[in-house]
Order: sequence, then C-alpha cells, then structure tokens
Amino acid sequence: GNSVTQMEGPVTLSEEAFLTINCTYTATGYPSLFWYVQYPGEGLQLLLKATKADDKGSNKGFEATYRKETTSFHLEKGSVQVSDSAVYFCALSDRASGSARQLTFGSGTQLTVLP
Amino acid sequence: DGGITQSPKYLFRKEGQNVTLSCEQNLNHDAMYWYRQDPGQGLRLIYYSQIVNDFQKGDIAEGYSVSREKKESFPLTVTSAQKNPTAFYLCASRDGDLNTEAFFGQGTRLTVV
Repeated sequence: GNSVTQMEGPVTLSEEAFLTINCTYTATGYPSLFWYVQYPGEGLQLLLKATKADDKGSNKGFEATYRKETTSFHLEKGSVQVSDSAVYFCALSDRASGSARQLTFGSGTQLTVLP
Repeated sequence: DGGITQSPKYLFRKEGQNVTLSCEQNLNHDAMYWYRQDPGQGLRLIYYSQIVNDFQKGDIAEGYSVSREKKESFPLTVTSAQKNPTAFYLCASRDGDLNTEAFFGQGTRLTVV
C-alpha cells in the first residue's frame, strides 16, 4: 500500500535559519505529491505540490523537488520566520490505487521558529 | 468566494449523546472526506464519499455515521458508540482530477463533558 514517512518533530529553529523537513514515500503508481501547512486551531492549507518526477513546487519561499529515484519530496526554506511556526504535512495522491482514498498523509512535523 | 465550511467551530457533548458536525462546500467537488486529528497526531480517515448517495468507511469508522444526500453536503454524526470522541474533526473536498489538492474546512473541535 501507499505510505508517507516524515521527519519526526518537533523542530525548533532560530529566525533566518535554513529549514529542511524530510519526506519519503511508497506508492504503487506515479503519485502527485503535496505539502500542507496547519496553523494552530485551523484546517490544512496547501503549501505546494508537484505532479511528476523532477517537478519543483514552490510557494512563500518554500520549495520541494519530486525525486523519483529516491522517492522523496523534502521541504526546504532558506530563511524561516516566526510566522512559519506550524505543523507541516507531506501527502501523496496515487492514481493507481483506484479509489477516492488516494490521499495519504504523513504524521506531520511541528515547526517552531524562535525570534 | 468558493470554499468549504465546517460548523460549529467548537462543540460540547455530554456522554451518551449523538452529535452531528456540518460540512458544506460550494466548489462543485465530487469527493468529500472526514478526518479525525488527535493532539500531536496526524490525520485518520473516518469516511469518504465519491458521489452523491455513496460513501465508504475509512480506517476508523466505528462509532461514526455519514450521509451524502446532496453534492454540497457531507455531515458526520458522532454516535454514543464512539468510545473516545474528543478530538479535532476536519472535513475536506476534492474534484476528480487526481493532480489537484484537497481543500479543508477550518475544523470542529468536539469535547465530551
């Protein structure tokens, strides 16, 4: 079956530090990959996505590259801000699985950025 | 504005009572989902629906029920059979293109008192 494995948190960084949150996946087909962000007490929002190998998704200074050879989709940001403090979820959508359950989420990584 | 709306944001229930959480979307999406999130945990799928009048159990359906009488609406009932219902509940919707993302509501925090 499909699965997503995320770097365990929590992650604590100082403002302007470099961020990497690792995400690797297992899928039966050719998935699309997503990063979502969840602020306290809210729902999830899409941060970025990539739909095929070697695609790079980017938004708000965050980037992630779809690496088929390493089955990875690591999230990076060059200089984090206090406002980036949130929980980040990696997810995949596998067209080969044949049902509306294609969305598979990782367990989430809590990021705290200190001023 | 198009979006997905959950209500209420906070809900308190006495033990032994059923309670229904509302989820409405005006995005014209076919698929809708209910997830449960416990503190510090990821998302667990409760139920999902691909089309009107059809729905499927997710990983933790016991103690929950749903209906999908309209495309826009996918209410979740937490029954008294759910042993530990206190949690944050998230509703999501998605269209038929599997390259697109799911859209989430703001969530309902249910507390059993």
